[in-house]
Formats: sequence, structure tokens, C-alpha cells
Amino acid sequence: EVQLVESGGGLVQPGGSLRLSCAASGFTFSSHWMHWVRQSPGKGLVWVSQIKSDGSGTNYADSVKGRFSISRDNAKNTLYLQMNSLRAEDTAVYYCAREIYSDYNFDALDMWGQGTMVTVSS
Amino acid sequence: QSALTQPASVSGSPGQSITISCTGTSRDVGSYNLVSWYQRHPGKAPKVMIYEDTKRPSGVSNRFSASKSANTASLTISGLQAEDEADYYCSSYGGNNNVIFGGGTKLTVL
Repeated sequence: EVQLVESGGGLVQPGGSLRLSCAASGFTFSSHWMHWVRQSPGKGLVWVSQIKSDGSGTNYADSVKGRFSISRDNAKNTLYLQMNSLRAEDTAVYYCAREIYSDYNFDALDMWGQGTMVTVSS
Repeated sequence: QSALTQPASVSGSPGQSITISCTGTSRDVGSYNLVSWYQRHPGKAPKVMIYEDTKRPSGVSNRFSASKSANTASLTISGLQAEDEADYYCSSYGGNNNVIFGGGTKLTVL
């Protein structure tokens, strides 16, 4: 079955760290750029980060730059998001998403996981 | 960069057509053919309905179409059905190795 399954969310105190994982199956993970997108309660979707198919390049939203780190292990078909110095405003459901295979970069996200909830609170 | 601008809500009766707008700037929507539209039912993962401004992925109903003029993209749903009731989000390449989403539009089928 073609799917993305996130894990690793939970409750963490401000200033704390959390590592999210996204297990991919049913497709050639190493061929696709991957992204993290989040949605805070009652708000819309917000792009967080992107990593190239071979892991050679990464990009981040300004709001998480310097605090979050995206990585991947193509041998394990797994995407990660290391989140440090967490703030209350990072509270959200975090989704991993696959970018379509196309001639362009930063194209549409054609597969999404169900998300994992991260709550930053004391 | 600011979020793309979408109306908070739109509504229509079954069988009618509705259009959702998505306004950006000349640095994002207006510069790249990389606008996407997503449908999101409550509790479900987003589903891409349109990519590269106007292309429809295989399996998406041809009742969904899109266009773009200058800095504004539009999604049109024709022959509205009850199952179309959902949140819709646009997104665009932001021009600075980033992606920008719209705030989302809640579609109500009356």
C-alpha cells in the first residue's frame, strides 16, 4: 500500500525538543523530494521544510530556520524532522508530504500522511 | 512572505458552479506556473486537485478546473455535489526556495 505514516508527536515543554518520523511505503521514496507541512489548531496549512530526494539540499520556513532540521534515510524509507527550541506557536499537527515527480521543483504535494500532533506547553 | 489570500468561505447549491480565488504577488503566483489546489475533508489528509496552475491529476473529477491571471489563481467547481463540501487550500512556489499556502476556503454546499 502506498502510504506515509508519521510518528513521534506528543507534549513537550517550551524550549524542549522532539523528533518526528515519517515512514514511507509502496513507492520509490528515494526518487521524491519530501516536505513537512503543519496546521495549528483552527488555522490553515503552513509549509515548514523540504528536502531533496538524495538529501543533498534542504530549505526551511523563516519561522523554523535555525531550530528545525529535516533529514532522510533512503535506505530506511524514512523522513525526519528534528525540532529544537520549541515554542508554543509550534503547536500543530505536522504532516509529511511527497512532492510529485515532475520537471519542476517545489511542485504539488500528491501524497500526505495523516499527521502527528505536537503540543508545546508547560 | 505572507500567506496567499483566499476568501474564508464560499457556498453554492447542488448543481451550481463556484469559484475560489487565490491572490498572491508578482514574486510568487505571478512568476511561476506552480500553483496547486488541495481539498481537505475534516479528519482527512489533503488531496491535490490541481497542480502546475491548471493540470488535473488522474482520478480527479473534471468538474474541477483552474485558471490563473497575473497574480490571482482560481479554482472552479462545476456541478456542485454534497461531497465537494470541504476546505480548499491553494499553494504556490514562493520564489525563495519556499512554498506559500493560502489561508483556506470553507466550501459549503447548501
